[in-house]
Amino acid sequence: EAGVAQSPRYKIIEKRQSVAFWCNPISGHATLYWYQQILGQGPKLLIQFQNNGVVDDSQLPKDRFSAERLKGVDSTLKIQPAKLEDSAVYLCASSLSGTYNEQFFGPGTRLTVL
Amino acid sequence: GENVEQHPSTLSVQEGDSAVIKCTYSDSASNYFPWYKQELGKGPQLIIDIRSNVGEKKDQRIAVTLNKTAKHFSLHITETQPEDSAVYFCAAKRSEAAGNKLTFGGGTRVLVKP
Repeated sequence: EAGVAQSPRYKIIEKRQSVAFWCNPISGHATLYWYQQILGQGPKLLIQFQNNGVVDDSQLPKDRFSAERLKGVDSTLKIQPAKLEDSAVYLCASSLSGTYNEQFFGPGTRLTVL
Repeated sequence: GENVEQHPSTLSVQEGDSAVIKCTYSDSASNYFPWYKQELGKGPQLIIDIRSNVGEKKDQRIAVTLNKTAKHFSLHITETQPEDSAVYFCAAKRSEAAGNKLTFGGGTRVLVKP
């Protein structure tokens, strides 16, 4: 079974530039998550989709971050404009619907904002 | 919202010894407690989980205990091996119909010395 795919794996940008990350979840997983993991910390949920609808985006900085999940499969996360404090690993995860279903994580995209 | 504290932040053990990581949570309604292992350059991977109606769960060299009254849970790794070296995260979650939101602890970097 193929895992969660993410691209790019690494990205370096200047502050105030824009950047986009792509995620392809495990086939059949209705729930998709984007997490931000700052170096030395645990992942923090940014947004959760159930199919193509947003379930939770309470921790998404909506003035600069946006995400979409068209057709309930792939998802993109965008930052515009980027700030220095956005330097982090952005993790995508997916799961079947339900309380106790395991979240499967992709390898992440390491973003460096200079 | 939920807050998860994890200790210690780093743990160095001799190969063959045991390792114990402890977490506390704040939301008494949380009822699902997974543990993730994250290796360098990879996303977190579930290693064991426990639900609130169970006090202890074992899987080979790994065990997790839960004390709901005290709101803390622990990961125990016995007979540690060099491949156990990684960052470990605990997490907690409520059972809510609308979501599957995990709150992660800050992580424990475990180093197993041969």
